[in-house]
Amino acid sequence: EVQLVQSGAEVKKPGESLRISCKGSGYTFTNYWIGWVRQMPGKGLEWMGIIYPGDSDSRYSPSFQGQVTISADRSIDTAYLRWNSLKASDTAMYHCVRLSGWHYDLWGRGTLVTVPS
Amino acid sequence: QSALTQPRSVSGSPGQSVTISCTGISSDVGGYNYVSWYQQHPGKAPKFIIYDVSERPSGVPDRFSGSKSGNTASLTISGLQAEDEADYYCCSYAGSYTWVFGGGTQVTVL
Repeated sequence: EVQLVQSGAEVKKPGESLRISCKGSGYTFTNYWIGWVRQMPGKGLEWMGIIYPGDSDSRYSPSFQGQVTISADRSIDTAYLRWNSLKASDTAMYHCVRLSGWHYDLWGRGTLVTVPS
Repeated sequence: QSALTQPRSVSGSPGQSVTISCTGISSDVGGYNYVSWYQQHPGKAPKFIIYDVSERPSGVPDRFSGSKSGNTASLTISGLQAEDEADYYCCSYAGSYTWVFGGGTQVTVL
């Protein structure tokens, strides 16, 4: 089955670091860009950035540049989203998505990150 | 890179048609025919229902259709059904391998 499987929910303290993961299966992982989308509680979707696992070329939304780091390990078909110092405002659901053409055809179920203030 | 503008909510009775607008600028919606639409039911991951402005993936009912004029794209749901009640998001390519989403529209079936 073609799918993106995300890591489980996290509860962290402000200032802590965190890396969440997204593993692709059922397709050639290095042939598709993988993106990350934030959804804050009760709010809309926000495009954060994207990476091509084949060569780790990455792009970021200006809103998220410098705030997070997107990486990938092609040997284990996994993409990552990392924070060095979490804030309460990072509390959100984070979806990984697969780019097909110019749209996102495959979505992970999301990883809920909670950073209590 | 500002979010695309969508109405916060639209509503219609079963069988009616509703249209959701998605307004951007010349460097996103107006500059590319790469607008996609996503449907999200509560507690679920979004699902794409329209891509490349007006293309519909297999399995999506033909009551969903998309169009674009200038800097505004639109999603029309014809013959509204109860299961169409959900949040809908537009998304546009914005150049240099970046994308931008709309703020989302809640569709209510009366």
